[in-house]
Amino acid sequence: DAKTTQPNSMESNEEEPVHLPCNHSTISGTDYIHWYRQLPSQGPEYVIHGLTSNVNNRMASLAIAEDRKSSTLILHRATLRDAAVYYCILRDKETSGSRLTFGEGTQLTVNP
Amino acid sequence: GAGVSQSPSNKVTEKGKDVELRCDPISGHTALYWYRQSLGQGLEFLIYFQGNSAPDKSGLPSDRFSAERTGGSVSTLTIQRTQQEDSAVYLCASSLFAGETQYFGPGTRLLVL
Repeated sequence: DAKTTQPNSMESNEEEPVHLPCNHSTISGTDYIHWYRQLPSQGPEYVIHGLTSNVNNRMASLAIAEDRKSSTLILHRATLRDAAVYYCILRDKETSGSRLTFGEGTQLTVNP
Repeated sequence: GAGVSQSPSNKVTEKGKDVELRCDPISGHTALYWYRQSLGQGLEFLIYFQGNSAPDKSGLPSDRFSAERTGGSVSTLTIQRTQQEDSAVYLCASSLFAGETQYFGPGTRLLVL
């Protein structure tokens, strides 16, 4: 799977929007962009995924650059419960099997 | 519905002992995965089961590690002759089909003294 680059940490204030960036300059045409997050002392949980178009769900939005070399996970109103490590992962369903390859992720701190 | 469950939630063992970790996937999920997360490290893939196909064992770190999945449901990860470097959180995940969203359990925290 192609590599992703994320900042090690970010801070936000409660009830403000958070934009978590991810660079993936070597992304291939069949790579989907997935985001998972891991709250303290829990297993990871799925957040959102997309291929080319921007995506919205109840948890977040995913904005994908036109050239697909970067993407941004958007939490519209951060809450204290959103404090977690956020992982940006590329998955090629055709060639990489089913494993998730986790990087270091971004540690998000939400200040009250 | 019920999510992925794992047992025990915590396990302390002595170096050299064998341990068994259990995973109950979401009912109906055909794919099951094991990962581990060492202190301060990212998640590392261990093994993957899909239906009746041969498992993908490419992530197992040594031949002391093995896993089985009986009846296409419950899975057991066995670590023989545990070493201190085996101390980690062992996470299980399942998905409806291969390549679909993975749902993770809470993990088993293993400490080898």
